[in-house]
Amino acid sequence: SQQGEEDPQALSIQEGENATMNCSYKTSINNLQWYRQNSGRGLVHLILIRSNEREKHSGRLRVTLDTSKKSSSLLITASRAADTASYFCATASVSNYQLIWGAGTKLIIKP
Amino acid sequence: NAGVTQTPKFQVLKTGQSMTLQCAQDMNHEYMSWYRQDPGMGLRLIHYSVGAGITDQGEVPNGYNVSRSTTEDFPLRLLSAAPSQTSVYFCASSYGGQNTEAFFGQGTRLTVV
Repeated sequence: SQQGEEDPQALSIQEGENATMNCSYKTSINNLQWYRQNSGRGLVHLILIRSNEREKHSGRLRVTLDTSKKSSSLLITASRAADTASYFCATASVSNYQLIWGAGTKLIIKP
Repeated sequence: NAGVTQTPKFQVLKTGQSMTLQCAQDMNHEYMSWYRQDPGMGLRLIHYSVGAGITDQGEVPNGYNVSRSTTEDFPLRLLSAAPSQTSVYFCASSYGGQNTEAFFGQGTRLTVV
């Protein structure tokens, strides 16, 4: 069963613009993680945000978490062609041992 | 430091054949997992291990077996391949399970005909 649902499913923007992706989930979590997957490659960890945190930054990435709305957003500022990839959120539930994954957002940065 | 290494990268099997997907990590992580990724869906957990000698089932374990005789290796066995097992398979490891970042292999693209 999928816990996280990303929105939108696909996003195409011009290089230099900001990209925002959203993730919603259903149950209480310990943390929420964002990963990037380039075409044909494995997933790479971007940011982990814990349930008691509201915002986290890493370079051009900004992640927010609203536990009352059970949602998170990933903002990529000043996008680059190299940011073209699929982005996945994964939630660590308080009730089981597994990461539960969303279906991902496919981001295309047009030069 | 190789990280997580999966072999093979590509495989074609006939229905009913068996095979083993290999996964090795050199980071001394206790936690290892196998996922499958199908188009339009998130990763689904097949089996996982919290340490050598300990394995458990994930969301979609049917048709797959695992073992964990060492910390480094976590092979996934397909017992009798079916077309429904056509997928991309990823192995992942982490230091602290779901509460720490996971490191992924490059994946194995499996086609069952």
